Amino acid sequence: RKEVEQDPGPFNVPEGATVAFNCTYSNSASQSFFWYRQDCRKEPKLLMSVYSSGNEDGRFTAQLNRASQYISLLIRDSKLSDSATYLCVVNNGNNRLAFGKGNQVVVIP
Amino acid sequence: NAGVMQNPRHLVRRRGQEARLRCSPMKGHSHVYWYRQLPEEGLKFMVYLQKENIIDESGMPKERFSAEFPKEGPSILRIQQVVRGDSAAYFCASSPLGASSTDTQYFGPGTRLTVL
Repeated sequence: RKEVEQDPGPFNVPEGATVAFNCTYSNSASQSFFWYRQDCRKEPKLLMSVYSSGNEDGRFTAQLNRASQYISLLIRDSKLSDSATYLCVVNNGNNRLAFGKGNQVVVIP
Repeated sequence: NAGVMQNPRHLVRRRGQEARLRCSPMKGHSHVYWYRQLPEEGLKFMVYLQKENIIDESGMPKERFSAEFPKEGPSILRIQQVVRGDSAAYFCASSPLGASSTDTQYFGPGTRLTVL
């Protein structure tokens, strides 16, 4: 089983709409969780950390469900500039990050 | 404050040659990580280094790959006798502390290695 699993999509989203996606992780001892954004042929950039209580940053909301071992990301009022691949990332200890393949989001005018 | 720097950005090698990839961490960061992203795949952890120490190399292939982070100068990822399957984007990341699992890792722009 892969350490982090994501449905790659693509997720075609009309501009202004809301999109949500999940990822699941296999290691119940995972310690910290993140969403990174990766634009085509660029480096991953941290979007937000994910906390057990859930957290929000502007139009982005992240949730963590430790019991079911999944992490979610919701994007409200999608902008064209949100088009990117969103990487679910888990720290399995010793700062060894495990990445999902990413959810590809395409915001359509 | 410059971010993580990697060079070269693009590297072309023929099968059997050596590839050397360099990474300079962000100022004030003493922990360096290397990841590889094969085409259409997610990033895979390779190695975690501090100055003059390899902390975790569990993701490194057993042969042909080595990494170092000397006291002075950048971290180097070295691939000997490259094969076509080594073609990938190699990303370096750095973090300030390293001891905490919540440390954010900041990524460099990557080196895209193409093996002909």
